[in-house]
Amino acid sequence: SQTIHQWPATLVQPVGSPLSLECTVEGTSNPNLYWYRQAAGRGLQLLFYSVGIGQISSEVPQNLSASRPQDRQFILSSKKLLLSDSGFYLCAWRAKSSYNSPLHFGNGTRLTVT
Amino acid sequence: SQQGEEDPQALSIQEGENATMNCSYKTSINNLQWYRQNSGRGLVHLILIRSNEREKHSGRLRVTLDTSKKSSSLLITASRAADTASYFCAASGGYNKLIFGAGTRLAVHP
Repeated sequence: SQTIHQWPATLVQPVGSPLSLECTVEGTSNPNLYWYRQAAGRGLQLLFYSVGIGQISSEVPQNLSASRPQDRQFILSSKKLLLSDSGFYLCAWRAKSSYNSPLHFGNGTRLTVT
Repeated sequence: SQQGEEDPQALSIQEGENATMNCSYKTSINNLQWYRQNSGRGLVHLILIRSNEREKHSGRLRVTLDTSKKSSSLLITASRAADTASYFCAASGGYNKLIFGAGTRLAVHP
């Protein structure tokens, strides 16, 4: 069966520090991969998605970047964190087989920038 | 802009009552999906309704879709305390991405 792993679960970082969040998927190949951010009590904002290795689409201009160095690995990065980067970051995957395939989410990383 | 917008933002009911949540979207869709999120966790897919379907059932869940009004509703029948969670609709904004609304926070009291 397919599983998705995100780490770390929680992270406290000072303003101006770098960020690296990692997401890996097991049990499937060539998935679409996604990074979403959720502010407290709010909906999900799509940040990046990837349809293949090295292919990244950015939805919101900001100081974050994403990379997909391997088929089932998706990394979210920042060179210098801002206070506004605090939030709950969710990675998800989706099969390419159909328009009607659902998203499968990891358990998220709660990032607090101080 | 968001594809899905849920209404109400929050809903508080007693166990055994039905809970209805509504969702509106702005553009043409391939399908509309509903997800559930327990506090501090990732989202879990509940049900998908295709653009050519009008109603779909799964256990205690009933979803309707009105493409002429660009709206959908999720009905949870005979609610339980364990149904307490946030519920999100997500509209397919193209083949590669889903756009989520702000969600409805449901509280079911024993």
